[in-house]
Amino acid sequence: DGGITQSPKYLFRKEGQNVTLSCEQNLNHDAMYWYRQDPGQGLRLIYYSQIVNDFQKGDIAEGYSVSREKKESFPLTVTSAQKNPTAFYLCASSIGLFTEAFFGQGTRLTVV
Amino acid sequence: QKEVEQNSGPLSVPEGAIASLNCTYSDRGSQSFFWYRQYSGKSPELIMSIYSNGDKEDGRFTAQLNKASQYVSLLIRDSQPSDSATYLCAVISSWAYDMRFGAGTRLTVKP
Repeated sequence: DGGITQSPKYLFRKEGQNVTLSCEQNLNHDAMYWYRQDPGQGLRLIYYSQIVNDFQKGDIAEGYSVSREKKESFPLTVTSAQKNPTAFYLCASSIGLFTEAFFGQGTRLTVV
Repeated sequence: QKEVEQNSGPLSVPEGAIASLNCTYSDRGSQSFFWYRQYSGKSPELIMSIYSNGDKEDGRFTAQLNKASQYVSLLIRDSQPSDSATYLCAVISSWAYDMRFGAGTRLTVKP
């Protein structure tokens, strides 16, 4: 089955910890994205990548980092510099940059 | 002014009725428009895309685009309780070269 897989589904982070969210796709899409969703708000773009070894900051990149070493994978690290990381994180991919995007199942991150 | 605006709702319609969801956007040069459905606690699911003025129909869903008035709408005919969800409007902005989402409209279809 083709699709986008995010893991884990739930993640708990202690204060001061870095955590990494996984995103893998087998759709052969070039572009991949990370969005953050807070209750009652729309999706906000954290980072996006058009091709391997290239990525760009979105609106709220501070406190986050990404890598794109393989076409299929676009992991997101939430660093300790992100002061309010509790949110629903969504990874998406599309054939071309900012075309029809398809989402993974999401990772719900909670700071404990 | 928000770049993509939606009425947050909740919008409540009886089963079998037509649900009408609206979205306005600020970038006049936007070219691509999408509707996503998001069930509570789940990720968004793409249900419609529209690129040209006019109507686009897919089953019980019709997307309507009016670029002159800068709005896009989604009509759901014969609404079912399973249509109860939050509907997100997304617009690809020509100047910002990214996809902007509205905050979503929560729809409840009552049996």
